[in-house]
Amino acid sequence: NAGVTQTPKFRVLKTGQSMTLLCAQDMNHEYMYWYRQDPGMGLRLIHYSVGEGTTAKGEVPDGYNVSRLKKQNFLLGLESAAPSQTSVYFCASSYDLGGLAHEQFFGPGTRLTVL
Amino acid sequence: QQQVKQSPQSLIVQKGGISIINCAYENTAFDYFPWYQQFPGKGPALLIAIRPDVSEKKEGRFTISFNKSAKQFSLHIMDSQPGDSATYFCAATVMYSGGGADGLTFGKGTHLIIQP
Repeated sequence: NAGVTQTPKFRVLKTGQSMTLLCAQDMNHEYMYWYRQDPGMGLRLIHYSVGEGTTAKGEVPDGYNVSRLKKQNFLLGLESAAPSQTSVYFCASSYDLGGLAHEQFFGPGTRLTVL
Repeated sequence: QQQVKQSPQSLIVQKGGISIINCAYENTAFDYFPWYQQFPGKGPALLIAIRPDVSEKKEGRFTISFNKSAKQFSLHIMDSQPGDSATYFCAATVMYSGGGADGLTFGKGTHLIIQP
């Protein structure tokens, strides 16, 4: 099992450019999440999905869109990149233990720089 | 609005000592409180977690203490080792009754250094 993988690992964009970050998981997890991590800020939830075809906004959704067309993939899009979106982006997936526990498995991250 | 406050920001502990990291939350709907460990260049990984129906949970050298009335919880690392040097995040979420959970609300992290 590869677990949670993220593509690409690094990317440099110019202001106004667009791009899509891909997250894939092979654990058949129902739930998937996108976070951003900035120095001194911890991780903040951007968007999440509780199942194929469903998405919801998190704490910092502005400037991002997501899609979950297949259960194993969760895409994060930046339509017009801004320097404020320079960050490390983490994808996570999780399963449910009948309401007893909720472990999120994180990918290795994508380091994005917007110039 | 920061819903989970974590302290200290950084912590230096001698090998063999006890590392203590504290968190406080505001949202009384939170009912699942995990701690994540992150090494440089890696994604966070679950270390230990607790539900509010217990006051303490221990797994090996790691213990969570939970105080529901004070809305506080803490991570204790006993016999701290250099390999424990990492960034630690507390988090909280609301679990759905039918399964699943909201995304995690994280604290800002504690950079822990264990000196040999």
